[in-house]
Amino acid sequence: DVKVTQSSRYLVKRTGEKVFLECVQDMDHENMFWYRQDPGLGLRLIYFSYDVKMKEKGDIPEGYSVSREKKERFSLILESASTNQTSMYLCASVPGQETDTQYFGPGTRLTVL
Amino acid sequence: GQSLEQPSEVTAVEGAIVQINCTYQTSGFYGLSWYQQHDGGAPTFLSYNALDGLEETGRFSSFLSRSDSYGYLLLQELQMKDSASYFCAVRGTMDSSYKLIFGSGTRLLVRP
Repeated sequence: DVKVTQSSRYLVKRTGEKVFLECVQDMDHENMFWYRQDPGLGLRLIYFSYDVKMKEKGDIPEGYSVSREKKERFSLILESASTNQTSMYLCASVPGQETDTQYFGPGTRLTVL
Repeated sequence: GQSLEQPSEVTAVEGAIVQINCTYQTSGFYGLSWYQQHDGGAPTFLSYNALDGLEETGRFSSFLSRSDSYGYLLLQELQMKDSASYFCAVRGTMDSSYKLIFGSGTRLLVRP
């Protein structure tokens, strides 16, 4: 079974803090994604990566950055957290090779006070 | 722009059949997927259509009409555990990114 894990289920941070969200997959997937999920807005793509050290902006990259130093790990960084970044953050990975099925982690609910 | 439209909420009775529609407007199209998400849980893959027609997986079926830019998810013999949100998603390009565009989700409530 594919396993995607995220570092925290719940996180509370203060405005201006630097926040790191980590995602790890154990199936040697090449493609990894970070989404945020807000009520009524579905899943919006923040950043994605198709290989180590490679990253591409998604639809809403402002205020975020990412890091992929190892194939299994994809980190989302909020350089200076703001209250409008309070959300559910979901990581996903894709095996590639003719399938686009995305395997999601359990999510991190981030609250910025 | 690129968009997927699906109803925000659907209510049905246990044992019934429900259909969740999805219409899409994307610059490219290479497949329509459906995901299920229970409250507090992660989205999980349900089905995929690349070609026109019906795909059946147990109680769930998914249909695609590429000419109409339309698809639906059909849930039969509804059970209480089917109460969840359902998202359609389109793969718009065949590049190596495997990016999906997601709809905003349909919340299904199954009543006894």
